[in-house]
Amino acid sequence: DVKVTQSSRYLVKRTGEKVFLECVQDMDHENMFWYRQDPGLGLRLIYFSYDVKMKEKGDIPEGYSVSREKKERFSLILESASTNQTSMYLCASSGDSPRNAFGSGTRLTVV
Amino acid sequence: GDSVTQMEGPVTLSEEAFLTINCTYTATGYPSLFWYVQYPGEGLQLLLKATKADDKGSNKGFEATYRKETTSFHLEKGSVQVSDSAVYFCALSPMDSSYKLIFGSGTRLLVRP
Repeated sequence: DVKVTQSSRYLVKRTGEKVFLECVQDMDHENMFWYRQDPGLGLRLIYFSYDVKMKEKGDIPEGYSVSREKKERFSLILESASTNQTSMYLCASSGDSPRNAFGSGTRLTVV
Repeated sequence: GDSVTQMEGPVTLSEEAFLTINCTYTATGYPSLFWYVQYPGEGLQLLLKATKADDKGSNKGFEATYRKETTSFHLEKGSVQVSDSAVYFCALSPMDSSYKLIFGSGTRLLVRP
């Protein structure tokens, strides 16, 4: 089975801090994704990457950036965390098909 | 743009009841359609999928049929169990962006013993 591992289950950060969320997948998938999950809104795509060093904006990229230096690792960066970025963040990966494999999520609280 | 609309929850049922969670979509052409399930404290897992009109996806007693004429992909199960309590997400993958998933807002299911 594909394993997608997110480095933290829970994080608490202060407003203005720079925050790194890390995601690693072990199936050599080309595509990796970062979503945020909010009640009543489902999952919304923040950024995705289809290859090393390649990235594209999703539906809600404002306030976020990403890094993909190696195929297996995809990092989400909050340059200056704000309280409206308090959310559950989910990482996913996929090969040619859109069958995404998801990590368990990181619940981020910005205070 | 493409979108997915799900019935709002929570849906509360007794064990062994019949389940329907409605899902309709808006998309160009023939997207692929999916149901994902999220158990408490976990990420999303693919439950079932259908890639063309009239296909039926099925898994673990759950079924959904791709209805092009009504742009729907309703999730059904004949007899739910307490262990089915979770959040269910309907999603589509557009024809022109096959790697991309567009999710509905999710429906929480609570099954009581």
